[in-house]
Amino acid sequence: GAGVSQSPSNKVTEKGKDVELRCDPISGHTALYWYRQSLGQGLEFLIYFQGNSAPDKSGLPSDRFSAERTGGSVSTLTIQRTQQEDSAVYLCASSFPSGGADTQYFGPGTRLTVL
Amino acid sequence: KQEVTQIPAALSVPEGENLVLNCSFTDSAIYNLQWFRQDPGKGLTSLLLIQSSQREQTSGRLNASLDKSSGRSTLYIAASQPGDSATYLCAVPSSGTYKYIFGTGTRLKVLA
Repeated sequence: GAGVSQSPSNKVTEKGKDVELRCDPISGHTALYWYRQSLGQGLEFLIYFQGNSAPDKSGLPSDRFSAERTGGSVSTLTIQRTQQEDSAVYLCASSFPSGGADTQYFGPGTRLTVL
Repeated sequence: KQEVTQIPAALSVPEGENLVLNCSFTDSAIYNLQWFRQDPGKGLTSLLLIQSSQREQTSGRLNASLDKSSGRSTLYIAASQPGDSATYLCAVPSSGTYKYIFGTGTRLKVLA
């Protein structure tokens, strides 16, 4: 079956512009995660969705970052007024949590470059 | 606050060697630990998930063990192959949250 897909694969934008990144999780997966991976750094948690609600938004770096999920499926991460430090690879993962087993399946990522 | 450390940061071995990658975490109140591999420019691929009630998991040439009390996990790769070359990451949930904390990874190169 289809895995997690993300679009676009690459996005180049100018400082100050808004961007939207999309994640299509594996069908039936109720949990969805967004992470950020900056050059030379580890993965940084951004937000977790269970269904359409986000019980953990603790990793969003500022109020310029927001995310939503609709229909328990597609999720969009929006970054407003982008800054150069937002340049990174944004990764999405989905899972079907079941009694402590929460294997995450990752998409290929969106590489964001802010000029 | 959960912190995850992976040692070594990089490893280069000849083909055929057995090797061990280490992951340590500071908060033992975890419900699972996951190992992933990441190929350059790609997303992560799940390798093994060990639930807190388990001591180890095996998949093919890979074996992961978990010792919650000491805050350690090891990933054992048997008979390494050049195709095993990648960065290996471990991740644990931060206590009481849905937030997963990742180590910075071990970059493995297996020489033919």
